[in-house]
Amino acid sequence: SQKIEQNSEALNIQEGKTATLTCNYTNYSPAYLQWYRQDPGRGPVFLLLIRENEKEKRKERLKVTFDTTLKQSLFHITASQPADSATYLCALRPNTGGFKTIFGAGTRLFVKA
Amino acid sequence: DAMVIQNPRYQVTQFGKPVTLSCSQTLNHNVMYWYQQKSSQAPKLLFHYYDKDFNNEADTPDNFQSRRPNTSFCFLDIRSPGLGDTAMYLCATSRAGTEEKLFFGSGTQLSVL
Repeated sequence: SQKIEQNSEALNIQEGKTATLTCNYTNYSPAYLQWYRQDPGRGPVFLLLIRENEKEKRKERLKVTFDTTLKQSLFHITASQPADSATYLCALRPNTGGFKTIFGAGTRLFVKA
Repeated sequence: DAMVIQNPRYQVTQFGKPVTLSCSQTLNHNVMYWYQQKSSQAPKLLFHYYDKDFNNEADTPDNFQSRRPNTSFCFLDIRSPGLGDTAMYLCATSRAGTEEKLFFGSGTQLSVL
């Protein structure tokens, strides 16, 4: 069956450290993969997109990698801050065409001061 | 600022009493989506519009309907809500042919009693 899996266990890290979140997918061929941030009771906010032919993308303190062989994306936040505490969702767009974007359940990140 | 606005923010309804959630956008995007997100779960796509073309997901219950009278507005109608329909309902938009990142509203938290 098709699945997107993110670690359901919350990630707790100390301020200033690098947070690394994992997204694994099964039985999809993504055209691209996206990462979103979601705060409690709010809608997700787009952060980064990486295409199937890209290995790495950066934006300020954020970095995303994409390994289509491992069927995995890693999302890194460097020099983390308490304000980075949120749930981070992985989403993919299958390359079958159309507009369907499929989300993972997200990983909750807590950054302690 | 261009944005996606959902009303109401919170909605309480009784079992079986029809309810309508609304979404408006000032982004002039041609694709609009409705997602259902239950607590600690992934957002689940219910349907989307590409311009006036309606696309229903195969597993979306018949109880859920949608209307898009013009580019800016989209409605979600739940004809006979059940207790299992308690969830956050998220409206999102995207522009076809671009990176197609999704822009979400703040969501409507629906409680069915």
